[in-house]
Amino acid sequence: KQEVTQIPAALSVPEGENLVLNCSFTDSAIYNLQWFRQDPGKGLTSLLLIQSSQREQTSGRLNASLDKSSGRSTLYIAASQPGDSATYLCAALGTYKYIFGTGTRLKVLA
Amino acid sequence: DVKVTQSSRYLVKRTGEKVFLECVQDMDHENMFWYRQDPGLGLRLIYFSYDVKMKEKGDIPEGYSVSREKKERFSLILESASTNQTSMYLCASTSAGTDRSYNEQFFGPGTRLTVL
Repeated sequence: KQEVTQIPAALSVPEGENLVLNCSFTDSAIYNLQWFRQDPGKGLTSLLLIQSSQREQTSGRLNASLDKSSGRSTLYIAASQPGDSATYLCAALGTYKYIFGTGTRLKVLA
Repeated sequence: DVKVTQSSRYLVKRTGEKVFLECVQDMDHENMFWYRQDPGLGLRLIYFSYDVKMKEKGDIPEGYSVSREKKERFSLILESASTNQTSMYLCASTSAGTDRSYNEQFFGPGTRLTVL
């Protein structure tokens, strides 16, 4: 059974720092891995989708990597800003459904 | 841009009421999903549908039913609301191409349901 873990559960950093969020999954037989952002009380916003054949994807200050053999994905945020404060979730697409991690709550201090 | 909308942002209902949550997507997606999100438990799949009139149970279907009469609309029904169904409900949709690695999930804004 696929399990997706995100560590740490919460992270607080000063503005301007580069940071890495981690996502681990137990079953490497995934079609893709998707990173989302969720603001308090809101829905999930898709940030990046990495297909199983890809190693990384980039969008602006965000870079996501995927290593299926080790069951890991990372989301790199460059030059963090207070507006980046949110919960970040990853989700792995398996045979029938998406399995979500419980998220990393990020706070960027001005 | 893909747009997924949900009928209400906030709902307050009483125990025993029948509750309808509606979700509409405008990208002609075949797959639609209903999740609930609770602190410490993350997102849990209630039901999903891969075509009109088709439905599949997710991980926690008890106390819920769904309806998909049109491709763009997926409804979640709480037959008799209970306090333990107080939660954030999220709807999502994806396309269903032959290469599933392209399936990107898009979410609606969520409905915060409180059952008193």
